[in-house]
Amino acid sequence: KNQVEQSPQSLIILEGKNCTLQCNYTVSPFSNLRWYKQDTGRGPVSLTIMTFSENTKSNGRYTATLDADTKQSSLHITASQLSDSASYICVVSDYTGNTPLVFGKGTRLSVIA
Amino acid sequence: DTEVTQTPKHLVMGMTNKKSLKCEQHMGHRAMYWYKQKAKKPPELMFVYSYEKLSINESVPSRFSPECPNSSLLNLHLHALQPEDSALYLCASSQESATGITEAFFGQGTRLTVV
Repeated sequence: KNQVEQSPQSLIILEGKNCTLQCNYTVSPFSNLRWYKQDTGRGPVSLTIMTFSENTKSNGRYTATLDADTKQSSLHITASQLSDSASYICVVSDYTGNTPLVFGKGTRLSVIA
Repeated sequence: DTEVTQTPKHLVMGMTNKKSLKCEQHMGHRAMYWYKQKAKKPPELMFVYSYEKLSINESVPSRFSPECPNSSLLNLHLHALQPEDSALYLCASSQESATGITEAFFGQGTRLTVV
């Protein structure tokens, strides 16, 4: 069964600090992996999208890594800001299109002053 | 324009009401999706339209009826809902691609409350 597991479930960090969120998946065949940021009550916003041939991709203070061999991804947030408080969702797509997007349960990040 | 627009933003309806959620995109995307999201849970896929035809229905109750009148619009008709149907309803769109590598854009959602 296609699954996406994220850890930790929730995280609290001080403003200015860095953090790393983890994502493991069993989706096969693998097409691409995305990280989304979702503010409470709003739609998810794409941060990065990576295919199997990409190891890392950055978007400002967000850097995603992908190891397609171990089926693991991470999202690193540098110099966190209060506005980074949100849920971060790892989403994996298979090659067949039969399962358009498989969502992880997300990591709830709280950045405090 | 990389926006997916959903209306209304908030909706309160009774269990005997009939209402519709609307979604619009002008990115030329040929795949459109409806998701349901309960609090502190990831979005759950409900329907997928591909080239204006329903391609996936994730065993959604018939009180939810999707409609895709054209390539830019996606509706979700609601009738005789239950309080447990209260949730954030998200619309998304993506460009169909033979490689499966497509960016999915989400709308801001409609917060539905059934009373």
